[in-house]
Amino acid sequence: AQKITQTQPGMFVQEKEAVTLDCTYDTSDQSYGLFWYKQPSSGEMIFLIYQGSYDEQNATEGRYSLNFQKARKSANLVISASQLGDSAMYFCAMREGTILTGGGNKLTFGTGTQLKVEL
Amino acid sequence: DVKVTQSSRYLVKRTGEKVFLECVQDMDHENMFWYRQDPGLGLRLIYFSYDVKMKEKGDIPEGYSVSREKKERFSLILESASTNQTSMYLCASSLRVYGMATEAFFGQGTRLTVV
Repeated sequence: AQKITQTQPGMFVQEKEAVTLDCTYDTSDQSYGLFWYKQPSSGEMIFLIYQGSYDEQNATEGRYSLNFQKARKSANLVISASQLGDSAMYFCAMREGTILTGGGNKLTFGTGTQLKVEL
Repeated sequence: DVKVTQSSRYLVKRTGEKVFLECVQDMDHENMFWYRQDPGLGLRLIYFSYDVKMKEKGDIPEGYSVSREKKERFSLILESASTNQTSMYLCASSLRVYGMATEAFFGQGTRLTVV
């Protein structure tokens, strides 16, 4: 079974609109972390935002927020007020467990969503 | 700034060759990772290491091995390169805080072509 599932291979959004990129995950660990990365056409991987499984508040970083729904095992990325520079591939990733449970170090990525921002 | 440096941006190797991909990080991170990235498949974890001389298999370790003799350096070895190993290879590193990996920092990638 896929640990991280991103069901949207491609998305389009109008400039200045908000967009939600979906991510669902599969784990039996109580302690885990979820990450989002952006990969522009230049190829660099840019860390955007992190959510821990015990965090009570949804994470926010500027125009990025994470809609964390633990019971549904989803961690969707919301980008508000889209800009042309947001056009990129976006990856969701998960770290499961801790060193005490024999995990904590492995980072697993999804297949990504290609976002295109249009004028 | 954290820097993760991969030794080559582009490599072309022949089938059957032994190939070494080198990665160095300068921030004293405990964890280091090797991924391959292919269109439609995202990033797939090959191997990772959480300490010197320690390594763990990722999701697709077949045909690869790794070496971590020093904390800052993590090498990926293709024992006998094959055409299906043509891919973009990404190295990453991360801290470990309270027994858990923090966000990973990535190198610029190595585009390997096996002919």
